[in-house]
Amino acid sequence: EAGVTQFPSHSVIEKGQTVTLRCDPISGHDNLYWYRRVMGKEIKFLLHFVKESKQDESGMPNNRFLAERTGGTYSTLKVQPAELEDSGVYFCASSQDVRVSGGNTIYFGEGSWLTVV
Amino acid sequence: GESVGLHLPTLSVQEGDNSIINCAYSNSASDYFIWYKQESGKGPQFIIDIRSNMDKRQGQRVTVLLNKTVKHLSLQIAATQPGDSAVYFCAENRYNQGGKLIFGQGTELSVKP
Repeated sequence: EAGVTQFPSHSVIEKGQTVTLRCDPISGHDNLYWYRRVMGKEIKFLLHFVKESKQDESGMPNNRFLAERTGGTYSTLKVQPAELEDSGVYFCASSQDVRVSGGNTIYFGEGSWLTVV
Repeated sequence: GESVGLHLPTLSVQEGDNSIINCAYSNSASDYFIWYKQESGKGPQFIIDIRSNMDKRQGQRVTVLLNKTVKHLSLQIAATQPGDSAVYFCAENRYNQGGKLIFGQGTELSVKP
């Protein structure tokens, strides 16, 4: 079974440009989360989809970030225009159930590493 | 505000020694915690979890201890191996808030051969 996949794995863009990150969750997982880790800091929650609906977007930094999940399958996270402080690694995760318990866990992708120069 | 944090940002141990990574949390209502391991270039990987009705839980070479009185949890790794080198995060799973994870800062574990 394929895990959570993210694309691109690495991206270097100039300040002011646009970047779109994509996440393909595990098939059948209704819950999709985006997280971000900037260098040396903790991983922070950005938002949560249940199917195609945004359940919680309280962690989105500002209106330069736009997440979508059309059709309730894959999700995109667009940063426009990118700023230097947006550099970091963006993780996507998916789960069947919001309650993590034993083998029923939240599965993370390997991340999209974004560098804004 | 609510947070889950760690005491030490880095930890260096000798191969074969035991490692202890600590985490403090501030939300007394927290009832479900998870430890994750993040290796370089990879996403967080589930290690072990514990509910607030437990004080201790053991896995393969790992043990998580929870002290609700002082709002502290720890991850113990027995016979640490070079492959254990990674950043370790504690996280609280807020299942009543859609299952989002609140992470601590992370501890970077380095294992010296």
